[in-house]
Amino acid sequence: QLQLQESGPGLVRPSETLSLTCTLSGGSLNRTHSHWGWVRQPPGKGLEYIGSIYDTGSTNYNPSLNSRVTISVATAKNEFSLRLTSVTVADTAIYYCARLVLGVIGDWGQGTLVTVSS
Amino acid sequence: DIQMTQSPSSLSASVGDRVTITCRASEDIRSYLNWYQQTPGKAPKLLIYAASTLQSGVPSRFSGSGSETDFTLTISRLQPEDFATYFCQQTYSGNDFGPGTKVDIK
Repeated sequence: QLQLQESGPGLVRPSETLSLTCTLSGGSLNRTHSHWGWVRQPPGKGLEYIGSIYDTGSTNYNPSLNSRVTISVATAKNEFSLRLTSVTVADTAIYYCARLVLGVIGDWGQGTLVTVSS
Repeated sequence: DIQMTQSPSSLSASVGDRVTITCRASEDIRSYLNWYQQTPGKAPKLLIYAASTLQSGVPSRFSGSGSETDFTLTISRLQPEDFATYFCQQTYSGNDFGPGTKVDIK
């Protein structure tokens, strides 16, 4: 049973960089046809796709976040990461890591709340 | 960007009711439409992909239909565990979610 677990700081200062890691258990990053990605959800609001990465390193980012987002993969550690630069209060959200197949999200982490505040 | 809308934004229903939620895309997305269910404090759960294919383990009271720009999610007989928020998602071009439909108890 594949499980994904997010980790990282719960509080980030405005203008700084948000960094999160997703660790897999019960499966590996080189799973056939799988992309690994991030989705966020501001408290009480809807879902927003951030981006995803294939185990080869090819990435796909939401155009609205493209200039601030980097997703990377560490296959040997069975984890992938999100970096979001120059954060503002609008980036406060629950961040989910996920497994995608052709964009369909079949597996989700439990989510981690990141608050942007001084 | 493809804009996704859902209607209604919320509805009240009773156990045993038939519930229909609509999702509309701003342009033709063929059948690249998926549905998710989210209960409070939990991650979303995939219900239906490719407009009408039921994800493994999802009860058969859930069904999806539609193509191009208009799609529906139907719950044939609402159960207590179905009170949740439902999101549609297009994956034809990019990856965009609808704003959600909250189903609560009448």
